[in-house]
Amino acid sequence: KAGVTQTPRYLIKTRGQQVTLSCSPISGHRSVSWYQQTPGQGLQFLFEYFSETQRNKGNFPGRFSGRQFSNSRSEMNVSTLELGDSALYLCASSFRQGNTEAFFGQGTRLTVV
Amino acid sequence: AQSVAQPEDQVNVAEGNPLTVKCTYSVSGNPYLFWYVQYPNRGLQFLLKYITGDNLVKGSYGFEAEFNKSQTSFHLKKPSALVSDSALYFCAVRELSNTGKLIFGQGTTLQVKP
Repeated sequence: KAGVTQTPRYLIKTRGQQVTLSCSPISGHRSVSWYQQTPGQGLQFLFEYFSETQRNKGNFPGRFSGRQFSNSRSEMNVSTLELGDSALYLCASSFRQGNTEAFFGQGTRLTVV
Repeated sequence: AQSVAQPEDQVNVAEGNPLTVKCTYSVSGNPYLFWYVQYPNRGLQFLLKYITGDNLVKGSYGFEAEFNKSQTSFHLKKPSALVSDSALYFCAVRELSNTGKLIFGQGTTLQVKP
């Protein structure tokens, strides 16, 4: 069974640009969550999508957005990049019930210069 | 609101010795608790979970965790540490029963010395 796939693995962008990250969940999983990981803030929840609908949103500015497609694949978009957006972005998929674990992708390392 | 605390930034142990990585939680209702491990430049790997039942939960790679409701703790343990166990460990709690959202502790770096 294939795991969670995130593309690309690495990105370098310039301040002010926008970026789109992609996540393909494990087959059968309909819940996809996104997290930002930085040395200073640790792992912070961005948002969760389930059945193409955003179900939860973390405390991030509106520059961060996402969507989910009918095949459960998800994308997140960051517009008007800032230096502070440099981070490892992790995608997790699960069955969404509380007693099931989430499986994480390898992450996308975004560097903003 | 749910929260998780890992009181130690780093834990150092000698290879072959037992290890403990501490985690305490605060939830309203029954907790769904998880441990994950992260190796450099990698995503998080699931180790084990507590949902209900036995307080001692066994997981991957010889790890286990002890759930203690009165102390609101969920410490990760291993009887004999390996150098290859050196990594960053995260404790997490599921916020609600019908959500995919996880709340993570700040992480504990485990260093196992030969």
